Amino acid sequence: SQELEQSPQSLIVQEGKNLTINCTSSKTLYGLYWYKQKYGEGLIFLMMLQKGGEEKSHEKITAKLDEKKQQSSLHITASQPSHAGIYLCGAATSGGYQKVTFGTGTKLQVIP
Amino acid sequence: DVKVTQSSRYLVKRTGEKVFLECVQDMDHENMFWYRQDPGLGLRLIYFSYDVKMKEKGDIPEGYSVSREKKERFSLILESASTNQTSMYLCATQFPTLSYEQYFGPGTRLTVT
Repeated sequence: SQELEQSPQSLIVQEGKNLTINCTSSKTLYGLYWYKQKYGEGLIFLMMLQKGGEEKSHEKITAKLDEKKQQSSLHITASQPSHAGIYLCGAATSGGYQKVTFGTGTKLQVIP
Repeated sequence: DVKVTQSSRYLVKRTGEKVFLECVQDMDHENMFWYRQDPGLGLRLIYFSYDVKMKEKGDIPEGYSVSREKKERFSLILESASTNQTSMYLCATQFPTLSYEQYFGPGTRLTVT
């Protein structure tokens, strides 16, 4: 079965600093999702990557999928308190894009 | 905007009770999912449904059942609640578009005492 490992598990940064979260798969990724979860709430879709080397940005958040399609990174530039939350990566299973296996998440705190 | 609602934000039940968690969506999405989220374990798929009356087991279906009588409503049933089912339960919907992104409800935090 697909396993996803996220690092770091938690992160505390000063407002304005850049940060990177990594997601590593034990198998080739057919589709990689990034979601954000505010504490105690549901997940919000950020972006999806499918092709090796693909990079997408949304506001100050950039996600990349490596050429081998086994690792993805999420980079936040000039972090703000609104970026705080739990970031989860999810991998589409090889059988299709319907089912997603999620990583354990990275908890981000941004100190003003 | 897609709206996914869950019947309760917080729920406290006793061991052995039958528990119903309901999820309702307003976007006519075919696919619906139930996950549970636990510290250190992330989100794990319990069941999903790809059409009315159609369901498929996820990774941890034991102790749970589901019902989907109407397209917009997907219910998770704990036949006899146990303390190890204390968790955050998240419902999600999905329309089979190019990205297959999932839309999540706010979650139900269930405590079984």
